[in-house]
Amino acid sequence: DGGITQSPKYLFRKEGQNVTLSCEQNLNHDAMYWYRQDPGQGLRLIYYSQIVNDFQKGDIAEGYSVSREKKESFPLTVTSAQKNPTAFYLCASSDRTVDWKEQYFGPGTRLTVT
Amino acid sequence: DAKTTQPTSMDCAEGRAANLPCNHSTISGNEYVYWYRQIHSQGPQYIIHGLKNNETNEMASLIITEDRKSSTLILPHATLRDTAVYYCIVGTDSWGKLQFGAGTQVVVTP
Repeated sequence: DGGITQSPKYLFRKEGQNVTLSCEQNLNHDAMYWYRQDPGQGLRLIYYSQIVNDFQKGDIAEGYSVSREKKESFPLTVTSAQKNPTAFYLCASSDRTVDWKEQYFGPGTRLTVT
Repeated sequence: DAKTTQPTSMDCAEGRAANLPCNHSTISGNEYVYWYRQIHSQGPQYIIHGLKNNETNEMASLIITEDRKSSTLILPHATLRDTAVYYCIVGTDSWGKLQFGAGTQVVVTP
């Protein structure tokens, strides 16, 4: 089945540690995205990548980093510089040659930092 | 991208049609209306989009007013599995970002 996988589903870290969230897709989509969602809020864009080896900052990129070395993978690192890292993180992808706004989302990773 | 306004919440009886309104009075001529939904603790799911004509797919229908300042998403026969937050998003088809607001919490009751 084609889709997006995110792992792990739940992640716990101590404050001051960097943590990397995995996102893999087998939809052959060029574009991939990372969003953050806080309780009761909508999604906010962290980073996005339109093509391999290229990515741009979204609205809330501070304290996060990404890489796009392979088309199917777009890992997100939450660094110790992110002041409030506890949140629900969602990865998405889209076929930018069709309609980039039709985004397919993964199941999300819920990160808790204490 | 134009901003959207949606009711905070609404209830719907199982088996009845659910009509979800969205206002986008500042929409420009080349902006589409997109709808997504998010079931609790899951990733959002794309539902439908349109420019000016009404659209229908296996999940829902989208009705856009003639002046394009508002639209309605219709779930024809709501089921308990349709309980979710529904997001109305407006944007052009040129590269940009999806702007998610708070959406409408729809609760389908037996």
